[in-house]
Amino acid sequence: AQTVTQSQPEMSVQEAETVTLSCTYDTSESDYYLFWYKQPPSRQMILVIRQEAYKQQNATENRFSVNFQKAAKSFSLKISDSQLGDAAMYFCAYRSYRDDKIIFGKGTRLHILP
Amino acid sequence: DTAVSQTPKYLVTQMGNDKSIKCEQNLGHDTMYWYKQDSKKFLKIMFSYNNKELIINETVPNRFSPKSPDKAHLNLHINSLELGDSAVYFCASSPGGQGGEAFFGQGTRLTVV
Repeated sequence: AQTVTQSQPEMSVQEAETVTLSCTYDTSESDYYLFWYKQPPSRQMILVIRQEAYKQQNATENRFSVNFQKAAKSFSLKISDSQLGDAAMYFCAYRSYRDDKIIFGKGTRLHILP
Repeated sequence: DTAVSQTPKYLVTQMGNDKSIKCEQNLGHDTMYWYKQDSKKFLKIMFSYNNKELIINETVPNRFSPKSPDKAHLNLHINSLELGDSAVYFCASSPGGQGGEAFFGQGTRLTVV
């Protein structure tokens, strides 16, 4: 069975600095998606970034980028120029091409220090 | 225009009661889900439907019964509510087949007293 592991329950970063959130996953499949979701205090789940496993190029969305290492099964999220609005829970998630199940890690709570 | 909407947003009820949460999506997606988020923020899949057909049923007590009248709606009915059912329940949808990310509703905070 697939698993997603986020080893950092909480992290803090100074405003305007860069922070990296870690995620590893376990799968025997070769085709899948990986996602990072953000959950602010409003509890809305917001997609931050997505990566398809067949794409070697790392996905980027403005200040958010990933470091996708397929062989190592690692998918970290880098947030540049951190802003107060980035404070939230961040979830790493996995979805195989084979079925509809989307599996989430336990999340990392990110604090932004002014 | 809300893509995935669920009602109600908050639900407070007594142990032993029966309650329902409704979900609707206007994205034309084939797949819909129910997730449970516990007090530690862990998101666990409960059910997945594809075109009104139950695809995934994780080990959820049979007091929980999903119903999909059409592919745009997936409701969750809970019988004989227990204290441990208190959580936030999220509805989500995604494209079927090799679809990508899930789009989430705003969640329903269920409190059983």
